[in-house]
Amino acid sequence: GAVVSQHPSWVICKSGTSVKIECRSLDFQATTMFWYRQFPKQSLMLMATSNEGSKATYEQGVEKDKFLINHASLTLSTLTVTSAHPEDSSFYICSARALAGGAQYFGPGTRLLVL
Amino acid sequence: GENVEQHPSTLSVQEGDSAVIKCTYSDSASNYFPWYKQELGKGPQLIIDIRSNVGEKKDQRIAVTLNKTAKHFSLHITETQPEDSAVYFCAAKKGQGSNSGYALNFGKGTSLLVTP
Repeated sequence: GAVVSQHPSWVICKSGTSVKIECRSLDFQATTMFWYRQFPKQSLMLMATSNEGSKATYEQGVEKDKFLINHASLTLSTLTVTSAHPEDSSFYICSARALAGGAQYFGPGTRLLVL
Repeated sequence: GENVEQHPSTLSVQEGDSAVIKCTYSDSASNYFPWYKQELGKGPQLIIDIRSNVGEKKDQRIAVTLNKTAKHFSLHITETQPEDSAVYFCAAKKGQGSNSGYALNFGKGTSLLVTP
């Protein structure tokens, strides 16, 4: 149980395009999902907290107009990187907080490369 | 805000030996402490967690201890195997009142290498 999926697993795009990443909790409901960014050999950096049916809460320094988050259901949150640039290249990971117990389970991550 | 320190940054042990990773936290209101294992190119996997009302928790070869007074918690892996090699992250749940609600604050990670 407690499986979180992400799609796509990797994406290469041209500078200026937008990329959407989906995060799904497959076998549990999650009122709260989180989006992280991870650089090589570094820890996870929280970007935003996504609550079902409400606006996301962004961490300081994260541009909300750059990283659009939508959490339309208890099992799906999406992150859209708008007008992507090479500096947005990174490993993006989502996590979902289970209603029962409150543990956080992570997706497998999405590797984004912006050329 | 919450600050989680993790040591060591790298750890190399021989197969069969024990491995211990330690973390300290600063926010006394933190009450949930999970440990994650991350293999190369994959997302973190929850391996064990502990809440502040418990001092120790064990799951087969993995155990976690919590000292609330000293604000530190540790991961213990016994009888290590090569497949235990990965990066391990400790985390603490931010205290009440944070804008991020249930968000976790992570340590910088420990790269564990278990040699045959």
